[in-house]
Amino acid sequence: QKEVEQNSGPLSVPEGAIASLNCTYSDRGSQSFFWYRQYSGKSPELIMSIYSNGDKEDGRFTAQLNKASQYVSLLIRDSQPSDSATYLCAVRGLVDSSYKLIFGSGTRLLVRP
Amino acid sequence: EPEVTQTPSHQVTQMGQEVILRCVPISNHLYFYWYRQILGQKVEFLVSFYNNEISEKSEIFDDQFSVERPDGSNFTLKIRSTKLEDSAMYFCASSLTGQDRYGYTFGSGTRLTVV
Repeated sequence: QKEVEQNSGPLSVPEGAIASLNCTYSDRGSQSFFWYRQYSGKSPELIMSIYSNGDKEDGRFTAQLNKASQYVSLLIRDSQPSDSATYLCAVRGLVDSSYKLIFGSGTRLLVRP
Repeated sequence: EPEVTQTPSHQVTQMGQEVILRCVPISNHLYFYWYRQILGQKVEFLVSFYNNEISEKSEIFDDQFSVERPDGSNFTLKIRSTKLEDSAMYFCASSLTGQDRYGYTFGSGTRLTVV
């Protein structure tokens, strides 16, 4: 059973701080990794994708991937109250030619003004 | 920006009734998906669809469920004889390729309430 694990939170940070969100996955054959943001009652919105070890930066967001440790993280710099949402980690593997995404349960982020 | 459109946004149905959830994927996308999210739980994969046939389905996607692409634009999920536990948000998604490294785009969802 392929699993994606996230701390459910809430992770509470003050406005302007760095928020660090973590995710581990069980399938060593996983190839592509995604971070989605989901506001309450809304659909997931893709904010970052990463598939190579190391860091990938996009504006205030940095995704980090360590395949040896089966670990992916998302850093949000200069956190804003509008960043308050649930952040979903999603993983896609190619071992069985599956194109589906496997989601973690999400980490709720609360940015305090 | 292209988007995936889902209708209706909210559907209330009586237990045992059939419902059809509709989706219009992004026009040049070739892969289509249905996911569901029970309140407070994970986003769960139901089914993927490519070249007018199911390419993969989960254990949740049993004989109660079916999908169809009746024309060049719509992609539907039919749930026969709905149960209380089918109450959830249902999300349609599409991608240009199955191995799209950019993930895929979700629709705004249909909230299904079975009473």
